Amino acid sequence: AQKITQTQPGMFVQEKEAVTLDCTYDTSDPSYGLFWYKQPSSGEMIFLIYQGSYDQQNATEGRYSLNFQKARKSANLVISASQLGDSAMYFCAMRVYTGANSKLTFGKGITLSVRP
Amino acid sequence: DTAVSQTPKYLVTQMGNDKSIKCEQNLGHDTMYWYKQDSKKFLKIMFSYNNKELIINETVPNRFSPKSPDKAHLNLHINSLELGDSAVYFCASSQEEGFADTQYFGPGTRLTVL
Repeated sequence: AQKITQTQPGMFVQEKEAVTLDCTYDTSDPSYGLFWYKQPSSGEMIFLIYQGSYDQQNATEGRYSLNFQKARKSANLVISASQLGDSAMYFCAMRVYTGANSKLTFGKGITLSVRP
Repeated sequence: DTAVSQTPKYLVTQMGNDKSIKCEQNLGHDTMYWYKQDSKKFLKIMFSYNNKELIINETVPNRFSPKSPDKAHLNLHINSLELGDSAVYFCASSQEEGFADTQYFGPGTRLTVL
């Protein structure tokens, strides 16, 4: 069974600095996708970035990049030049290839607070 | 032009009542999902449908019944509501049901059972 682990306590970062949010995963399936979502205090779930297990390069989307270390089974999210609007809860998620019963499994989330 | 929409956004009701949450997506996706987020913010899948066919049915009480009238809609009906059903329910959709398909979420419905 797949598992996502996010163990950092609440994170704080100064505005305009970079921050790394940790995520480790566990699966024996060679085919999987890793996702990061943002949940601001307003409650919606916003997709940020995707990394496939076969992707050779780390994914990037604007200020978001994913530090994918396959051997270590980690998929850390890096946010550059933090903004006040980045204050939110961040979820790492994984979906493995198991055919019709493939499910997106979420970690418990990390709270990020950006200080002015 | 909202991609995934849910109604209502808030739902407050008494124990024992029956309620429904509606979800619609205009992304042309084939697969839709229902998730439950509990008070500790943990998100877990409840159901998934692909082209109106039930694909995933997690260990959910049979008081919860999803219905997909067409591939753009997936509604959730809950019978005999209990206190423990209080949570935020999210609808989501993806192009297909593959591991590389990104799921896009609706705004959520906060259900409070009194």
